[in-house]
Amino acid sequence: DAKTTQPPSMDCAEGRAANLPCNHSTISGNEYVYWYRQIHSQGPQYIIHGLKNNETNEMASLIITEDRKSSTLILPHATLRDTAVYYCIVRVPLSGSQGNLIFGKGTKLSVKP
Amino acid sequence: DGGITQSPKYLFRKEGQNVTLSCEQNLNHDAMYWYRQDPGQGLRLIYYSQIVNDFQKGDIAEGYSVSREKKESFPLTVTSAQKNPTAFYLCASRSGGAGNQPQHFGDGTRLSIL
Repeated sequence: DAKTTQPPSMDCAEGRAANLPCNHSTISGNEYVYWYRQIHSQGPQYIIHGLKNNETNEMASLIITEDRKSSTLILPHATLRDTAVYYCIVRVPLSGSQGNLIFGKGTKLSVKP
Repeated sequence: DGGITQSPKYLFRKEGQNVTLSCEQNLNHDAMYWYRQDPGQGLRLIYYSQIVNDFQKGDIAEGYSVSREKKESFPLTVTSAQKNPTAFYLCASRSGGAGNQPQHFGDGTRLSIL
């Protein structure tokens, strides 16, 4: 599975959009990009995933560059409850340990009032 | 509500004792997973199961055992052979449909040694 690079931390003002970047320059053609977040002492929460088209759901938008070497997770109106560690993961469907997710260190997003 | 339920939230183990962590899901998912998370670290895969009555070792299976007698349930036993069991344990499940379906996680069990 492709390696990802994320900034270790970011700040965002409450009510503003939070844009979290992820580099995955070695991504291969059949690898998907997944985003999860983990609030302290809770299990990871699935946010969104995509292959090459931009995706949007009730939680966030995922923008994938045309060459697929990077992506951005957008939380349109960040709230204090969005303070968490955000993980970007790329993997092929059903590869290796049949869907095992490899979490890196992620980006700690702090939403400030 | 549909989801994954892990219990208990906190668990304490004495030296030499086996303990079992519960994981139940009502999402009708085929695949289930157990991960371990240590402070400041990512998740490491312990065991996974794609279907009932079948399971496979992950990266750190030593000292752990599992069973998958029902689709909804995937309990994890931390045996006395696991020398460093203190960690945050996470259970996940995934639909067995399209291979890109995401995993969904429970809220975890925090295991400590007395």
